[in-house]
Amino acid sequence: QKEVEQNSGPLSVPEGAIASLNCTYSDRGSQSFFWYRQYSGKSPELIMFIYSNGDKEDGRFTAQLNKASQYVSLLIRDSQPSDSATYLCAVKANFGNEKLTFGTGTRLTIIP
Amino acid sequence: DAGITQSPRHKVTETGTPVTLRCHQTENHRYMYWYRQDPGHGLRLIHYSYGVKDTDKGEVSDGYSVSRSKTEDFLLTLESATSSQTSVYFCAISEGQTGNTIYFGEGSWLTVV
Repeated sequence: QKEVEQNSGPLSVPEGAIASLNCTYSDRGSQSFFWYRQYSGKSPELIMFIYSNGDKEDGRFTAQLNKASQYVSLLIRDSQPSDSATYLCAVKANFGNEKLTFGTGTRLTIIP
Repeated sequence: DAGITQSPRHKVTETGTPVTLRCHQTENHRYMYWYRQDPGHGLRLIHYSYGVKDTDKGEVSDGYSVSRSKTEDFLLTLESATSSQTSVYFCAISEGQTGNTIYFGEGSWLTVV
């Protein structure tokens, strides 16, 4: 079992709809969770991070964390064509361990 | 902009030759990382550093070595390049007091022929 798992997609969502990206992780002791966006041929860029159970909102993005289910998700509201990219979920094992483990990413396509 | 510069950005080299990739940061961050990214595998940690001369292995460290003689520079060396090391290599730095977020450089595309 991979440490961080994501559905590779592609996930196609109509423009203006909500895109939902999911990630599960195997290490129950994981403490912090990150979402990165990566355009083709570019480097990953941080969208947001979350530590606590529940929702965290930043503009059109909402991260959701459920540690009991070992599940983290990213919702993108009012999806735009510019949101078309690969989204990477990353997990840090515990505070003080500064290594991120990444999932393989989900490719998202927003259909105009 | 996290102030990370990778060089070279693109390189083609022959099997068996040594290759060194350089990562330079301007923000004086403690942690620096080298990841490789391959289709189907995502980003995998090669080595990381938590200070000058302090380094540790990641999950795919075989065939790679690193050095950090100055805070701002983290070098990744492929001792004897193989075709399986054809990949995109990303340097990253950890920013902030608690090192909670990791930011990436623009990447170095390496082809081993």
